[in-house]
Amino acid sequence: DADVTQTPRNRITKTGKRIMLECSQTKGHDRMYWYRQDPGLGLQLIYYSFDVKDINKGEISDGYSVSRQAQAKFSLSLESAIPNQTALYFCATSDQNTDTQYFGPGTRLTVL
Amino acid sequence: GDSVTQMEGPVTLSEEAFLTINCTYTATGYPSLFWYVQYPGEGLQLLLKATKADDKGSNKGFEATYRKETTSFHLEKGSVQVSDSAVYFCALISGYQLIWGAGTKLIIKP
Repeated sequence: DADVTQTPRNRITKTGKRIMLECSQTKGHDRMYWYRQDPGLGLQLIYYSFDVKDINKGEISDGYSVSRQAQAKFSLSLESAIPNQTALYFCATSDQNTDTQYFGPGTRLTVL
Repeated sequence: GDSVTQMEGPVTLSEEAFLTINCTYTATGYPSLFWYVQYPGEGLQLLLKATKADDKGSNKGFEATYRKETTSFHLEKGSVQVSDSAVYFCALISGYQLIWGAGTKLIIKP
């Protein structure tokens, strides 16, 4: 079984809809991250969490919110989706003792 | 701020050719450096890393050396295979955050 899973893998939605992307991990890591990937731009950090009670904004948090329901679960929400949020979204985890991040398979989101 | 610049793609090579993908960085201090790979339709996988100057990371025949004097971390492989076709990302860690290059698409033709 994969260590970092994301659901759904693909989602098409309409402008103005609320969307939740979910991430679960079995690696036992404290730290979790949400990134967005746009073609030709690499990845950009949306939010990160160092433990259940610690949530921090990344470089492009506007229009997004997150919830850390448990050590193993970190959800990303788009309260009112807009077309320029069409992208590939990745969840990642890391251990506090190393700087290596481990990624989920990604969620491809299309906002029409 | 910290940044990573990598060569634009796509890079197209024949099987068994020598590969170099250039990566240079700007950073305060000496951050750990990474190469991640994204195969078609898949997520990102750590390919290799180096944590200090002159360290060489290696995996699956790929190598990269942390060069402090040239602020570079170029990815090399002596003989590429069709299965190496993917997008390769160079990144550095800045505190908690990974700073990414834009990615280089590699296409290997049989």
